[in-house]
Amino acid sequence: GAVVSQHPSRVICKSGTSVKIECRSLDFQATTMFWYRQFPKKSLMLMATSNEGSKATYEQGVEKDKFLINHASLTLSTLTVTSAHPEDSSFYICSATGGSFEEAFFGQGTRLTVV
Amino acid sequence: DAKTTQPPSMDCAEGRAANLPCNHSTISGNEYVYWYRQIHSQGPQYIIHGLKNNETNEMASLIITEDRKSSTLILPHATLRDTAVYYCIVKNNAGNMLTFGGGTRLMVKP
Repeated sequence: GAVVSQHPSRVICKSGTSVKIECRSLDFQATTMFWYRQFPKKSLMLMATSNEGSKATYEQGVEKDKFLINHASLTLSTLTVTSAHPEDSSFYICSATGGSFEEAFFGQGTRLTVV
Repeated sequence: DAKTTQPPSMDCAEGRAANLPCNHSTISGNEYVYWYRQIHSQGPQYIIHGLKNNETNEMASLIITEDRKSSTLILPHATLRDTAVYYCIVKNNAGNMLTFGGGTRLMVKP
């Protein structure tokens, strides 16, 4: 299968600061990338869908000004959590699909802790 | 996309086959059945997917009933490293988004 790399795997930031998470498809061109959030002992919840070169589509209840998504190339999407607060602490996971693949591949996730 | 129903948890003895059921009675003709698993604190891992024929790869086998209303993921010889949450997801390939339900927490025991 294809490889999706997410960085960083773990980050701690102070309340009020911004954090950027990168998601890269290493061996295929990802026409579409997805960002999920997962709280402890819960399932993954889709936050937004991004297609290369266009604005992201956010799910209901997800603030687009708080969670900035950029998908500027076919191999890179970024999620920036702006003015982070403790309630934004969560496990953030990206996935990518494209090329000849029917299935989506996931990054290893980023554990964000806001203190 | 159609909704799926899975048991919340299952146990399996190491070395035995693990059979994970999934009900998707409202599946449409153009919807595929996908299986992913998530090991603790990692991103989901793709396992297998199928439309109507049974499928097998190096990780698992997928058995889909003739009416396509249910399926079973089979791990032929479960190991301790197969302990994870297994998600059964139904979607058509026109929409790339995956919607995760609660999944089945599989515990493989020595």
